[in-house]
Amino acid sequence: NAGVTQTPKFRILKIGQSMTLQCTQDMNHNYMYWYRQDPGMGLKLIYYSVGAGITDKGEVPNGYNVSRSTTEDFPLRLELAAPSQTSVYFCASSNPGTEGNTIYFGEGSWLTVV
Amino acid sequence: GDSVTQMEGPVTLSEEAFLTINCTYTATGYPSLFWYVQYPGEGLQLLLKATKADDKGSNKGFEATYRKETTSFHLEKGSVQVSDSAVYFCALSDRSFGNEKLTFGTGTRLTIIP
Repeated sequence: NAGVTQTPKFRILKIGQSMTLQCTQDMNHNYMYWYRQDPGMGLKLIYYSVGAGITDKGEVPNGYNVSRSTTEDFPLRLELAAPSQTSVYFCASSNPGTEGNTIYFGEGSWLTVV
Repeated sequence: GDSVTQMEGPVTLSEEAFLTINCTYTATGYPSLFWYVQYPGEGLQLLLKATKADDKGSNKGFEATYRKETTSFHLEKGSVQVSDSAVYFCALSDRSFGNEKLTFGTGTRLTIIP
């Protein structure tokens, strides 16, 4: 029962570098999401996707890009990393048609930009 | 827009004490309500949920009742254990716009001392 899998779990980036956080789910969920969690704060939605080929901005999309070429994968790209992007990133998925509105989360990716 | 207001933390209790974490919400549609728990170093896990007014969600001794008249979804447990130490997030999902995005509260850190 893999569920939602994120990699890497930890990463340190230098200012201006780029990287991709990988996310895959094996539950055949249509919906996928990327959230970020800053210290002492709730989760903020970065981007989401309601199906392959469809993506949409969330609350805090600036500095990020996503793609959804398959149902399983939803990578998050950080271009020109900035210290403000130091955060914990969570990928999630759901399938409203069969599982109501329960959202399943990955274990998180801790990113530090120095 | 939708919002979730959660009891400020941190909360420290002795083992076997009674727990209440307050949560109130505002939403334009007919939200489902959730409590997620985040144990140290881990991702978020669904603790319980309620999808309509007067529903009671329960799991692992925790309970919360969807109160539409007071727009509340307070989390309770009769006798807490050290293993309940974690951060608890209240969240809502409003399907009025056809998707399943979660809006989170800021989280309440709970520490149980033996």
